[in-house]
Amino acid sequence: DAGVIQSPRHEVTEMGQEVTLRCKPISGHDYLFWYRQTMMRGLELLIYFNNNVPIDDSGMPEDRFSAKMPNASFSTLKIQPSEPRDSAVYFCASSLPPSSYNSPLHFGNGTRLTVT
Amino acid sequence: QKEVEQDPGPLSVPEGAIVSLNCTYSNSAFQYFMWYRQYSRKGPELLMYTYSSGNKEDGRFTAQVDKSSKYISLFIRDSQPSDSATYLCAMSGGTSYGKLTFGQGTILTVHP
Repeated sequence: DAGVIQSPRHEVTEMGQEVTLRCKPISGHDYLFWYRQTMMRGLELLIYFNNNVPIDDSGMPEDRFSAKMPNASFSTLKIQPSEPRDSAVYFCASSLPPSSYNSPLHFGNGTRLTVT
Repeated sequence: QKEVEQDPGPLSVPEGAIVSLNCTYSNSAFQYFMWYRQYSRKGPELLMYTYSSGNKEDGRFTAQVDKSSKYISLFIRDSQPSDSATYLCAMSGGTSYGKLTFGQGTILTVHP
């Protein structure tokens, strides 16, 4: 399996622009997570899905952030409008259901977002 | 106060040293404890996984969980330069298994 695939790897945009981050989870994984990582705050959970349905979006910082999972093999995280403080590395991760022993999160390699 | 506290380091040790990494937590509902390793410009990858209290060993790595003290540790024996990475503790529990709470991460450098 190719693992969790994220695109783009790097994104540089100007303040006010719309940004869309993409994720393809591992086939067969029912759970999908979006995390954000910064030096100051570490890894923060933004939102997670189970069977394409958003379960907990309490980590989404503002209404400027939205996430969708139209099918089991694709998810997007959108920021509109973007601000400099959104600059971070955004990770997507997927996992099997928690009833499976040792169901670790498998992370993609992240999208490094810079908003100028 | 954060739910999970981890000293960010950085920690620098010579090759062959024993490394001890630690996290404390405040949420008594946590029962799944993990250590992730993150190389530069990569996503975190699972290194060790422990359920509830006790020890778990895997090669040069040993994970310990002391739920009474709300304290977890990762020991690396005979450390190698390839162990240089950021180590993140993570935990979850109750009905929110999938909702991992991560520590800040400790930056480790093992120099030859």
